[in-house]
Amino acid sequence: EAQVTQNPRYLITVTGKKLTVTCSQNMNHEYMSWYRQDPGLGLRQIYYSMNVEVTDKGDVPEGYKVSRKEKRNFPLILESPSPNQTSLYFCASSLVGAETTGELFFGEGSRLTVL
Amino acid sequence: AQSVTQLGSHVSVSEGALVLLRCNYSSSVPPYLFWYVQYPNQGLQLLLKYTTGATLVKGINGFEAEFKKSETSFHLTKPSAHMSDAAEYFCAVGGGNTPLVFGKGTRLSVIA
Repeated sequence: EAQVTQNPRYLITVTGKKLTVTCSQNMNHEYMSWYRQDPGLGLRQIYYSMNVEVTDKGDVPEGYKVSRKEKRNFPLILESPSPNQTSLYFCASSLVGAETTGELFFGEGSRLTVL
Repeated sequence: AQSVTQLGSHVSVSEGALVLLRCNYSSSVPPYLFWYVQYPNQGLQLLLKYTTGATLVKGINGFEAEFKKSETSFHLTKPSAHMSDAAEYFCAVGGGNTPLVFGKGTRLSVIA
């Protein structure tokens, strides 16, 4: 089954404790992206990657890091989480070109709470 | 630059009534327009899209949207709401080789 898998789905952590949210897709997509969803703000893009070893900042990259060492994986790293990073995070993937034509496939989301 | 404005963060309709969710866009290039739906505790999934050609596009679950260039709009409609339509709906604009820009979302409630 074609899917984007995120882990963990739910996480409560404390300020400053490094964490990683993993994202994996099995569709051989070149493009992968991370979004955060906050009430009243919709989806905002954090980082995206057009292919292996190619990443770029989205609209709200501060406080986040990403890496793309393999095509299928695109982890999101919070080196020193802060309470303003409490949010619902989504990973998405698509074929290159399709990210502008809307054919994005989304994971089920990771709800992160930073105390 | 591209942007999307969804009018109404929350829309409530009775079961069987018309659903109308409004979306206006701004784009300096010919836009590609999309509606995504997010059911509770799930990720987003593509509902329908307009790229080129016919301006009235049909999507899943009986939804449709019409691209009106003169009004810079792409409103989502469904003739008769069903309880299962309760979800959050996002309009998005793409095209011009830039990543999608999403609206802030409209939560649809359906009342029995």
